[in-house]
Amino acid sequence: ETGVTQSPTHLIKTRGQQVTLRCSSQSGHNTVSWYQQALGQGPQFIFQYYREEENGRGNFPPRFSGLQFPNYSSELNVNALELDDSALYLCASSLAGTGGAGYGYTFGSGTRLTVV
Amino acid sequence: LAKTTQPISMDSYEGQEVNITCSHNNIATNDYITWYQQFPSQGPRFIIQGYKTKVTNEVASLFIPADRKSSTLSLPRVSLSDTAVYYCLVGDTGRRALTFGSGTRLQVQP
Repeated sequence: ETGVTQSPTHLIKTRGQQVTLRCSSQSGHNTVSWYQQALGQGPQFIFQYYREEENGRGNFPPRFSGLQFPNYSSELNVNALELDDSALYLCASSLAGTGGAGYGYTFGSGTRLTVV
Repeated sequence: LAKTTQPISMDSYEGQEVNITCSHNNIATNDYITWYQQFPSQGPRFIIQGYKTKVTNEVASLFIPADRKSSTLSLPRVSLSDTAVYYCLVGDTGRRALTFGSGTRLQVQP
């Protein structure tokens, strides 16, 4: 059973640019969530995708968008990057109906994004 | 949404038992209590989940009193590799977002 893989592991972008982060879900999982983790803080929920549709969103502006593909892989896109977007971006997959409340989530190791 | 409060940091030595307590005074009837572990530059990893009383697995034990307003994660005989941040989460099965606080930084020394 493979876990969640994210790419790239590290990325440096310039303010105002756009970035795409990728996530491959754990085998058998059909739901993917994205989290932003600033240095020294806990992860913050960005959004969740199920059946290729966004079905939950945290307090993040529309320039944060995502996609989920039929094979359950996912992308996080961030437009008009700001310095405060520098963080570790985590992808988590789960199986709808079996998880919830924190059970059954598998996190990737994240992508470290630095905006300069 | 139940707010959780945990100590910012704790220190321990190898071989000791470590207990990390989380306060969640406004926990709802349908909420579960879940603990995650996170190493530097890695994603959080599920440790244990419970609803009431005591839950034990191969990694840890979770103690939940009858009023459920707090919970205690117990790590038996910690080793250096248990040095990590530990997060207490509270939420029901219908919630899509996991709400992480700032966690407890556990430092295990030789």
